Amino acid sequence: EPEVTQTPSHQVTQMGQEVILRCVPISNHLYFYWYRQILGQKVEFLVSFYNNEISEKSEIFDDQFSVERPDGSNFTLKIRSTKLEDSAMYFCASSFRRELFFGEGSRLTVL
Amino acid sequence: GDSVTQMEGPVTLSEEACLTINCTYTATGYPSLFWYVQYPGEGLQLLLKATKADDKGSNKGFEATYRKETTSFHLEKGSVQVSDSAVYFCALRLGAGSYQLTFGKGTKLSVIP
Repeated sequence: EPEVTQTPSHQVTQMGQEVILRCVPISNHLYFYWYRQILGQKVEFLVSFYNNEISEKSEIFDDQFSVERPDGSNFTLKIRSTKLEDSAMYFCASSFRRELFFGEGSRLTVL
Repeated sequence: GDSVTQMEGPVTLSEEACLTINCTYTATGYPSLFWYVQYPGEGLQLLLKATKADDKGSNKGFEATYRKETTSFHLEKGSVQVSDSAVYFCALRLGAGSYQLTFGKGTKLSVIP
């Protein structure tokens, strides 16, 4: 069964460093998303991406964040200069139409 | 703003016990409602959904009914199994123009033999 895959599963980084989280969406899907869950809190929407551009983004998704689909298969989330409060589980998702399929998540720990 | 509130966990049940996980929502307009499940080591998976008032979503023995009058979408199962141990997330999505999901915090369920 097709699935969304994410790498790395866990990354530890120092505050101020750049981090790139990678996702391989399901191959025929058209819409791509990033969500995050800070420990003990809700899963929060960050951004959606369609037709090579951002279609929606939340207040969390500020200038420190960017997304890219560099090669037609990967979908990446970049955090330019990580802060302690960026520590969270980051979930990638993709959809053909309305049903979202999620990856297992990438845990980011910022020290 | 729009929000989802679900009961705090963790919930521990014996096999074959009845399960109810409460979920209430606040939203402008008429959202679609969802339950997602996350099994250990896996991603979030759609468990069931309902798109309008009085709709009942069902899957794998789980059910939830969209109650507009109480703004609720409680998850129920009559007899849980060990394999149901997971984290359950209630979520809503607003109208046709948005693909954004708003989630609750999640409720961890552990079922013991």
